[in-house]
Amino acid sequence: NAGVTQTPKFQVLKTGQSMTLQCAQDMNHEYMSWYRQDPGMGLRLIHYSVGAGITDQGEVPNGYNVSRSTTEDFPLRLLSAAPSQTSVYFCASSYAGNEQYFGPGTRLTVT
Amino acid sequence: SQQGEEDPQALSIQEGENATMNCSYKTSINNLQWYRQNSGRGLVHLILIRSNEREKHSGRLRVTLDTSKKSSSLLITASRAADTASYFCATDRGAQKLVFGQGTRLTINP
Repeated sequence: NAGVTQTPKFQVLKTGQSMTLQCAQDMNHEYMSWYRQDPGMGLRLIHYSVGAGITDQGEVPNGYNVSRSTTEDFPLRLLSAAPSQTSVYFCASSYAGNEQYFGPGTRLTVT
Repeated sequence: SQQGEEDPQALSIQEGENATMNCSYKTSINNLQWYRQNSGRGLVHLILIRSNEREKHSGRLRVTLDTSKKSSSLLITASRAADTASYFCATDRGAQKLVFGQGTRLTINP
């Protein structure tokens, strides 16, 4: 199993540009989540999904959209990038009530 | 807002010593999880302890949970250089919505 994969690993955007961060898992987990980690901080939840077709907002959802058309994929869209969105983004998946498996992260810089 | 607060923020010990990290939280939880993050990498799950459990062990790791005090501790025994990393506690209040603390940066000196 590949586990949780994320692409790209690194990305530089200009303010106002849009892009999609990809996340896929091959463990048939129903739960998937997106987090951001700023320097010296813990992770903060952006959006999460409890199954295909179902998404909800986390702690810091503004400026981001998600969709969950399949169990495997959970892309995160930045609508109009801002410097405040410079961060490392992690995707995670899990079964209900169990530990989460994290991807390797995407390091995003917005200039 | 961060639910968990970790203490200390940084800890430096000699190889072979034990390391203890503490986590406090504010609201009731379903479970509490500990993760390790090596520099620049993703998070790796260490231990999950449910709200009706008081202690769990995994190898050199021991986690305790006191729901009356809303606190947890992670003990790493006989530390090794490879244990150098940041350690995070995360609380699950339901629907897998984890809330992370700011982490403890652990350095093991050879």
